[in-house]
Amino acid sequence: DAGVTQSPTHLIKTRGQQVTLRCSPKSGHDTVSWYQQALGQGPQFIFQYYEEEERQRGNFPDRFSGHQFPNYSSELNVNALLLGDSALYLCASSMGGQGYNEQFFGPGTRLTVL
Amino acid sequence: SQQGEEDPQALSIQEGENATMNCSYKTSINNLQWYRQNSGRGLVHLILIRSNEREKHSGRLRVTLDTSKKSSSLLITASRAADTASYFCATDNTNAGKSTFGDGTTLTVKP
Repeated sequence: DAGVTQSPTHLIKTRGQQVTLRCSPKSGHDTVSWYQQALGQGPQFIFQYYEEEERQRGNFPDRFSGHQFPNYSSELNVNALLLGDSALYLCASSMGGQGYNEQFFGPGTRLTVL
Repeated sequence: SQQGEEDPQALSIQEGENATMNCSYKTSINNLQWYRQNSGRGLVHLILIRSNEREKHSGRLRVTLDTSKKSSSLLITASRAADTASYFCATDNTNAGKSTFGDGTTLTVKP
């Protein structure tokens, strides 16, 4: 049973560029959440997707957008990259609507903005 | 501001000793989860404890929750060098899976 997978593992971009990160949830999970983790800090919630819709959003600008596909996989898009967007981006999957919040995290994508 | 705050920020112990980490939070929660993270990799889920539970065990891990004090503790017994990692608590006050993390406790277990 594959866990949560993310791609790519590492990514280097320059300021102003756009990036797309991908996530496949754990088998049987239908909810995907995205987090940003800066060095030395805890993960910060970006948004969550369930039934192909953004269900919750954290305090992130509109430059951060996402999508969920019918197979529950998800993408995180960041436009007009800033140096401060450099971070580890984590995807977590869970089962929505059942009152269980146990989340399983992927290995993350390390984004470096130069 | 972060919902959960871990204490201490860093902890260094000898192999075989017990390690205790604490987490405080500010608002009412549905559940609280503890995670481990090794060297900037993905988070590994350790234990979920619900607001109506007071204590849970999993192997060498023991988690307590005191909702009156808005605090939780994670105890790792008979620590091993492989337990060296950062430990995070995450709280959730909805059933939607959004978790609010603290900045973690960095545990170093010396062989």
